[in-house]
Amino acid sequence: GDSVTQMEGPVTLSEEAFLTINCTYTATGYPSLFWYVQYPGEGLQLLLKATKADDKGSNKGFEATYRKETTSFHLEKGSVQVSDSAVYFCALEETSGSRLTFGEGTQLTVNP
Amino acid sequence: DTAVSQTPKYLVTQMGNDKSIKCEQNLGHDTMYWYKQDSKKFLKIMFSYNNKELIINETVPNRFSPKSPDKAHLNLHINSLELGDSAVYFCASSPPGLNTGELFFGEGSRLTVL
Repeated sequence: GDSVTQMEGPVTLSEEAFLTINCTYTATGYPSLFWYVQYPGEGLQLLLKATKADDKGSNKGFEATYRKETTSFHLEKGSVQVSDSAVYFCALEETSGSRLTFGEGTQLTVNP
Repeated sequence: DTAVSQTPKYLVTQMGNDKSIKCEQNLGHDTMYWYKQDSKKFLKIMFSYNNKELIINETVPNRFSPKSPDKAHLNLHINSLELGDSAVYFCASSPPGLNTGELFFGEGSRLTVL
């Protein structure tokens, strides 16, 4: 079945550092890909998405590009802030659209 | 107004008890979900309802029973609670259409079984 694998965490960075969180997937067909963010004590929120190969999703300074050849959807941000500290989840939606499959989540801590 | 609201937010109870978590969404969505998040933050789907009809039922013990009285509500009842049921349970809803992938989550209900 479909699956999503994220880089192991936790990740700790200093403010203004460059962030990459790796995500690779296994799927049949052509899934849509997503990044969700969970701030402390809250539910998950959609951060960005890409629905086809070579699409780039972006939001709040975060970007991720749908790479079909490497089955990847890595999350990047050029300069992180303390307020970006959260858990980040990569996810895919099957072509049938019936469910989201989430990765394990990556805890990011940004220190001032 | 909170889009997806769950109650209670915290629940502490003894093994063997029965408890319920309620969820309501005011977004007009047709599809609602229950997810379980364990202590390592791993998120696993449990159930999904579309317009009050069960469409996803993962391998979940029979002690867990969802109920959807109308499309705006999806409640989760758990019988004979066990230590391993301790987790954060998230309700979510999604708008109609394929590959939208956008789930709207509640704030979660942290269940602790002693």
